[in-house]
Amino acid sequence: TAGITQAPTSQILAAGRSMTLRCTQDMRHNAMYWYRQDLGLGLRLIHYSNTAGTTGKGEVPDGYSVSRANTDDFPLTLASAVPSQTSVYFCASSDRPGNYGYTFGSGTRLTVV
Amino acid sequence: GNSVTQMEGPVTLSEEAFLTINCTYTATGYPSLFWYVQYPGEGLQLLLKATKADDKGSNKGFEATYRKETTSFHLEKGSVQVSDSAVYFCALIAVGTPGFQKLVFGTGTRLLVSP
Repeated sequence: TAGITQAPTSQILAAGRSMTLRCTQDMRHNAMYWYRQDLGLGLRLIHYSNTAGTTGKGEVPDGYSVSRANTDDFPLTLASAVPSQTSVYFCASSDRPGNYGYTFGSGTRLTVV
Repeated sequence: GNSVTQMEGPVTLSEEAFLTINCTYTATGYPSLFWYVQYPGEGLQLLLKATKADDKGSNKGFEATYRKETTSFHLEKGSVQVSDSAVYFCALIAVGTPGFQKLVFGTGTRLLVSP
């Protein structure tokens, strides 16, 4: 089934350690996004990419980095995790978002201890 | 700027009751409007959309009408089921304005349906 694959599904990470959340799409969408979802705060955009080779900052980019080496992959890296980065992370992609919205992955639940 | 305001939840209903979840928006340009649904433990799924004023989006018995005069996009369903229990997100994207346009979400409304 076409869509977005995120890995891992869940992870417990020690504070100070680094981690990369993986996201792959097979729809050839140009744009990709990373959101975090926290209770009472809804979804907040971390980083986005209009097209392969470009990235941009969202609302809450601090402590996170992304790369977009090709169309399909958009990994999110936490260089030195802190407990406030405990959250559920969603990757999404879009093509003509004004007409079709976004397609979301199933999420990665990250706990930083 | 662009923003979406949803009614706070949780909304608690009995099976077969009528559902309304309010959503209002503020936007520049010509927004497209969306409702997403998130079932427990899953990602967001597009439920319905409307891309211009007076359009009605519908899916799985849910409906929402794009009301430009009241800047609203309320979600309705005539008879809810236990399986409709989920979190519902209203969202917009302002098409036609300069720059990279991103989907803006409301904070979500949790719906709990009891048998």
